[in-house]
Amino acid sequence: LAKTTQPISMDSYEGQEVNITCSHNNIATNDYITWYQQFPSQGPRFIIQGYKTKVTNEVASLFIPADRKSSTLSLPRVSLSDTAVYYCLVGGPSGAGSYQLTFGKGTKLSVIP
Amino acid sequence: SAVISQKPSRDICQRGTSLTIQCQVDSQVTMMFWYRQQPGQSLTLIATANQGSEATYESGFVIDKFPISRPNLTFSTLTVSNMSPEDSSIYLCSVSPSGRVFETQYFGPGTRLLVL
Repeated sequence: LAKTTQPISMDSYEGQEVNITCSHNNIATNDYITWYQQFPSQGPRFIIQGYKTKVTNEVASLFIPADRKSSTLSLPRVSLSDTAVYYCLVGGPSGAGSYQLTFGKGTKLSVIP
Repeated sequence: SAVISQKPSRDICQRGTSLTIQCQVDSQVTMMFWYRQQPGQSLTLIATANQGSEATYESGFVIDKFPISRPNLTFSTLTVSNMSPEDSSIYLCSVSPSGRVFETQYFGPGTRLLVL
């Protein structure tokens, strides 16, 4: 089972780019990397998913190096509304219809005006 | 995407009692997932609920403690049985349109349970 490590917290000023890195040294070949955002009193919300290299959507980019032992979520020009906890999830099929997945402990991002 | 609702949104219960949490999805999905999130902690998958078959439980979770029903493709329930204060948590359900938990999931708002 992949173990994930993320920073506990980060602070950023409005308008800056924020990069949150997740380490997953023993990621399996079939594992995907997914990031979720969670606001207080809400369920997590999907941000982005990737397998390797770089993925970009309308809200974020995900950078995954060739060895896939880490991944970096990049949030461009953050605003106060981006203050939330960000979770890294590593998981994939483990054979015979089963799967394994591990949520990181989350990074609390505080955006400062 | 999918819109998910949960009932109740929160509850305070006495130890030794049981609580059933309902999860309703606005579209038909094959698999639904139940998670526990202890205060200030990450999410832990409890079980996968597949319509028409027994739920599959993750290590550390058993059916006697967390029985699950999946009567149709839009609804599931999780019961927390014989509760103790250690069961105080947020319980969330989720769905994955692809049917695979490691792909995009949509989560409900959660049920906040406090056991006294």
